[in-house]
Amino acid sequence: EIQLQESGPGLVKPSQSLSLTCSVTGYTITSGYDWSWIRKFPGNKMEWMGYISYSGSTNYNPSLKSRISITRDTSKNQFFLQLNSVTTEDTATYYCARATTYWGQGTLVTVSS
Amino acid sequence: DVVLTQTPVSLLISLGGQASISCRSSQSLVHSNGNTYLHWYLQKPGQSPQLLIYQVSNRFSGIPDRFSGSGSGTDFTLKISRVEPEDLGVYYCLQRTHNPPTFGAGTKLELK
Repeated sequence: EIQLQESGPGLVKPSQSLSLTCSVTGYTITSGYDWSWIRKFPGNKMEWMGYISYSGSTNYNPSLKSRISITRDTSKNQFFLQLNSVTTEDTATYYCARATTYWGQGTLVTVSS
Repeated sequence: DVVLTQTPVSLLISLGGQASISCRSSQSLVHSNGNTYLHWYLQKPGQSPQLLIYQVSNRFSGIPDRFSGSGSGTDFTLKISRVEPEDLGVYYCLQRTHNPPTFGAGTKLELK
């Protein structure tokens, strides 16, 4: 059974970088599918941030393109999110997902000084 | 970006009743390959979103037949019959036909 688990700091200061890890078990991230980051803002708004494909190519939401990077470590079966120059508007629950089918439990990241 | 307009914002339904949620797109969700990548999710309180319906009308593994999806082009509907307590939460539609993928604003299902 595939499982995804997000990890990373729960508090980030404005202007700094947000870095999260998604650890995947039960499926090898190089075997197929795209591996996404999605966030849910306070309230209900959801935003797809981007993905890294099983082959290593990336696709980012244009609204984030200058600030986002998604990378991976295939030896650890993990993929990563880095979001630069964060503001309080980046406060959200961050989810990793396989092709928006299977999701992690999510991790709340608060941007505050 | 494609805008998905989800209505209603909230639903009050009695146990055993029926709920209907609409998702209207600002442009056709038919992909050039002929498929329509419109999916439905339920986020229960304290949980991550779970896939209910993919590509308009296909129930995901383990989803009961009380859930059904329909529609085409720009208009889509999720119906939930015989509502049970575990159906409560926020429902979202998601389109993956156009880049970037976009979500509807969500519909909160509560018990009357």
